[in-house]
Amino acid sequence: QVQLVQSGAEVKKPGASVKVSCKASGYTFTSYGISWVRQAPGQGLEWMGWISAYNGNTNYAQKLQGRVTMTTDTSTSTAYMELRSLRSDDTAVYYCARVWDILTGYSHFDYWGQGTLVTVSS
Amino acid sequence: EIVMTQSPATLSVSPGERATLSCRASQSVSSNLAWYQQKPGQAPRLLIYGASTRATGIPARFSGSGSGTEFTLTISSLQSEDFAVYYCQQYNNWPLFGQGTKLEIK
Repeated sequence: QVQLVQSGAEVKKPGASVKVSCKASGYTFTSYGISWVRQAPGQGLEWMGWISAYNGNTNYAQKLQGRVTMTTDTSTSTAYMELRSLRSDDTAVYYCARVWDILTGYSHFDYWGQGTLVTVSS
Repeated sequence: EIVMTQSPATLSVSPGERATLSCRASQSVSSNLAWYQQKPGQAPRLLIYGASTRATGIPARFSGSGSGTEFTLTISSLQSEDFAVYYCQQYNNWPLFGQGTKLEIK
């Protein structure tokens, strides 16, 4: 069965960086993409960006451009999301999700990771 | 830039009754619209994609309709496990979620 298993909770200070992993199993990793979605406490869902596990192409939400990098390691079927220059309003649960479209990223999300809580606090 | 607007923000319905949730896009997204259910402390779950196609394992009481700018999620007979927050998401271009509708027990 398809599973996306994310790394554990993180506590970071303002200005630091965080890197969250998402290990995929149960499907051919390079036949799909991965999007990252975050959810601040008590708030809605915010799409952060997408990476194609097929060719490594990425696209990031405009508000995060310059602070976020998404990568994949096809040898371990793992996707990564690094967010730099953390601020208090980056405190959120970060989810990875499988994306059908490997060329454009325009797709729904059919499987989700369990979420990783990132807390930014001094 | 597309804006996705869900209504109402909160919907109170009794178990066994029908619930109708709305999602409006500020410009056409064709049928590139999905619905998700999220319960407290859990990741979202895909219910509907392509505006009207149920995802694998989703009960038939969930149905989606609409195209262009107006979409509806209908739950025909509410079960206790259906009380949750529901989000719509367009993917006609880069994904964007609505702000959510909380479905609560009346």
